[in-house]
Amino acid sequence: NAGVIQTPRHKVTGKGQEATLWCEPISGHSAVFWYRQTIVQGLEFLTYFRNQAPIDDSGMPKERFSAQMPNQSHSTLKIQSTQPQDSAVYLCASSPQGYSQNTLYFGAGTRLSVL
Amino acid sequence: GDSVTQTEGPVTVSESESLIINCTYSATSIAYPNLFWYVRYPGEGLQLLLKVITAGQKGSSRGFEATYNKETTSFHLQKASVQESDSAVYYCALGTGTGGYKVVFGSGTRLLVSP
Repeated sequence: NAGVIQTPRHKVTGKGQEATLWCEPISGHSAVFWYRQTIVQGLEFLTYFRNQAPIDDSGMPKERFSAQMPNQSHSTLKIQSTQPQDSAVYLCASSPQGYSQNTLYFGAGTRLSVL
Repeated sequence: GDSVTQTEGPVTVSESESLIINCTYSATSIAYPNLFWYVRYPGEGLQLLLKVITAGQKGSSRGFEATYNKETTSFHLQKASVQESDSAVYYCALGTGTGGYKVVFGSGTRLLVSP
């Protein structure tokens, strides 16, 4: 089992450009989570899918962030018109059923740098 | 909302000394949250160290222990004798109970173990 795979590991964009981050959850896991990590805010919940359906996107900045899960093998986080304050490490995690007592399995993260 | 407060790092300890990293929580959405310690070793992804989902119980892993204390709303991480390989960032986290899905993380504590 390869674990949660996130690509790319590092992404550099210019201000105003679009960034798409990819996540491949562990096979058989029904839940996918996206978190953002910064030094100031720490680990922040962004959004959650269960069985590919969006359940909670309460942590997503509404205007420029969107997430999708078109099939059970991958999820994407898209940031339009990136801003310097979007610079962060974006972490994807999957879990067997999505309940909070379940262990979260994290990917290595994508470090986004907006110049 | 739910929140977690933990020892601010870095914490520096000499090898074979004892360790305690404090963690207290505030759970407003659930009476009995699930409690976790996650760890990020250098060059690796965030991974579960231990979890306890029942108040009053103790969890242990890799020589670390933490007891779920509902009276003091605490979940301190302890180890009797640390090793250099324990150098990592430790995150206390709170899960919003059975049927819930959201996991809220503390800000992390960097542990440095000197030989």
